[in-house]
Amino acid sequence: NAGVTQTPKFQVLKTGQSMTLQCAQDMNHNSMYWYRQDPGMGLRLIYYSASEGTTDKGEVPNGYNVSRLNKREFSLRLESAAPSQTSVYFCATSLGQHTDTQYFGPGTRLTVL
Amino acid sequence: AQSVTQLGSHVSVSEGALVLLRCNYSSSVPPYLFWYVQYPNQGLQLLLKYTSAATLVKGINGFEAEFKKSETSFHLTKPSAHMSDAAEYFCAVSVAASYDKVIFGPGTSLSVIP
Repeated sequence: NAGVTQTPKFQVLKTGQSMTLQCAQDMNHNSMYWYRQDPGMGLRLIYYSASEGTTDKGEVPNGYNVSRLNKREFSLRLESAAPSQTSVYFCATSLGQHTDTQYFGPGTRLTVL
Repeated sequence: AQSVTQLGSHVSVSEGALVLLRCNYSSSVPPYLFWYVQYPNQGLQLLLKYTSAATLVKGINGFEAEFKKSETSFHLTKPSAHMSDAAEYFCAVSVAASYDKVIFGPGTSLSVIP
């Protein structure tokens, strides 16, 4: 079992470009999350999906959109990248609600020039 | 709303010495508390979790944490540090039916000196 996978691992964008970060899980979990990690700030929740077809905003949703394509896949889209979105992005899953243990992917390191 | 503070952004210990990483939380209702570890260039993985079943929680790799309600603390300890313990450690808090989801602390980077 692969667990939680993320693509790509690294990406460099120019300001204004768009891209989609992909996340897939084979754990049959209901909930999926997107976080960004910045030095000294821990992880901050961007968007959350409790089940297929539902999404909710987290702490820092501005500049991002998400799609819960099916139970396995949860994508994060940057429509017009900005230097402030330079970060490491993590996808995570949990069986049910957010009080359950979360399982993280390996991360995507994004640089916006 | 919940919050988490971790005292010390960086901690250094000698190999074989006690590891103590501090975490204090704020919550108006009984919390779920977590410690996650992140090794270089990897995602986070769960070390241990408090769910009110027992105040002393044992985790993987010899780590444990004690929930102290009176001090609103959930400090992480390990009796004897190993070189492989060098990593970033995150404390996190969540409560049932919370719109705040899981709140992560800023992290503590642990260095182990040979």
